[in-house]
Amino acid sequence: DTEVTQTPKHLVMGMTNKKSLKCEQHMGHRAMYWYKQKAKKPPELMFVYSYEKLSINESVPSRFSPECPNSSLLNLHLHALQPEDSALYLCASSSKPSGRSSYNEQFFGPGTRLTVL
Amino acid sequence: GENVEQHPSTLSVQEGDSAVIKCTYSDSASNYFPWYKQELGKRPQLIIDIRSNVGEKKDQRIAVTLNKTAKHFSLHITETQPEDSAVYFCAAMGFSGAGSYQLTFGKGTKLSVIP
Repeated sequence: DTEVTQTPKHLVMGMTNKKSLKCEQHMGHRAMYWYKQKAKKPPELMFVYSYEKLSINESVPSRFSPECPNSSLLNLHLHALQPEDSALYLCASSSKPSGRSSYNEQFFGPGTRLTVL
Repeated sequence: GENVEQHPSTLSVQEGDSAVIKCTYSDSASNYFPWYKQELGKRPQLIIDIRSNVGEKKDQRIAVTLNKTAKHFSLHITETQPEDSAVYFCAAMGFSGAGSYQLTFGKGTKLSVIP
């Protein structure tokens, strides 16, 4: 398996809902990332997990809560979101955590299109 | 932290012509520069990358050049085809200051290839 998968593809939620986004890779990559992408903008880094430990949190509000249960899975738990959080949420993985080597390609999943009503 | 500037923001070319997209970066310690292509509604796809120990890399119709002294790198697409139409992002991997490296993206170039 040579790709990153994400579920669901689309998600519509109200501001009081709790939902989770899931990301999976079976390439043996040890670094996984969450990005947020608004329309016509570049991906914006949210979180980095290296060897299943959170290594970067780019000042993301606490209504976004990441979790890395094992080396293949990455979740993003959502609670009390705002309409401005509507965006494409992209997961990515790379073979080595960036801190160990700056030479590593990041591969993106297809994303989850999130709409907050 | 790293800052990446990308130009132009939009580019229209006739099919068969060449397209060039340019990026500059600020952190002289950055040493990995990927280019991503993103079609509407799809994921960013890595199309080519270059590491700081080389000046140029080619893959069929796509080439990337890097000038470390001037801190700029460029994407060249020759013999453009309609399916090259997409948004292209350059990126630089630099030290985040949080104890790790991370990718910083340019703002993107929307390339339109006119048949």
